[in-house]
Amino acid sequence: KAGVTQTPRYLIKTRGQQVTLSCSPISGHRSVSWYQQTPGQGLQFLFEYFSETQRNKGNFPGRFSGRQFSNSRSEMNVSTLELGDSALYLCASRASGSTGELFFGEGSRLTVL
Amino acid sequence: EDQVTQSPEALRLQEGESSSLNCSYTVSGLRGLFWYRQDPGKGPEFLFTLYSAGEEKEKERLKATLTKKESFLHITAPKPEDSATYLCAVQASGGSYIPTFGRGTSLIVHP
Repeated sequence: KAGVTQTPRYLIKTRGQQVTLSCSPISGHRSVSWYQQTPGQGLQFLFEYFSETQRNKGNFPGRFSGRQFSNSRSEMNVSTLELGDSALYLCASRASGSTGELFFGEGSRLTVL
Repeated sequence: EDQVTQSPEALRLQEGESSSLNCSYTVSGLRGLFWYRQDPGKGPEFLFTLYSAGEEKEKERLKATLTKKESFLHITAPKPEDSATYLCAVQASGGSYIPTFGRGTSLIVHP
């Protein structure tokens, strides 16, 4: 069974640009969550999607947005990039009816110059 | 607000030297406590879920235990391949399934 796949794995952008990250969850998983991980803040929850609807949202500015498609694949977008957006962005999927364990992808490492 | 504090932040062990990692939590009703392992440059990998005080789970050299205020991850006779960051997360009962993560403990096991 394939795991969670995230693309791209690495990317470099400059301030003011925008970026789109993609996540394909484990087959059959309908919940997809996004996290930002930095050395200073640890893992911070961005948002969760379930059946194409945003179900939960973390405390991030509106520059961070996401969506989920009918095949459960998800994308997140960050507009007007800032230096502080440099981080590892992790996607996690969860099985319906599970007790909550998350299955993470390997992440997208974003560097903003 | 749910809080998770992990200690120590970093731990260096010699191969075979057993030790424990601590995860203290504050949550308004615990649905589940999770342990994950994260290797450098990779996403966290699920290890255990604990639900109630007194519960224990084991996997190879790792054993996780839970009390009403904290969880321990005991590492028995560690090997260099156990080197990783270990993350603890709590999920509150009621409401969303979104867990709150601790900052992690970075473990290095020297041969």
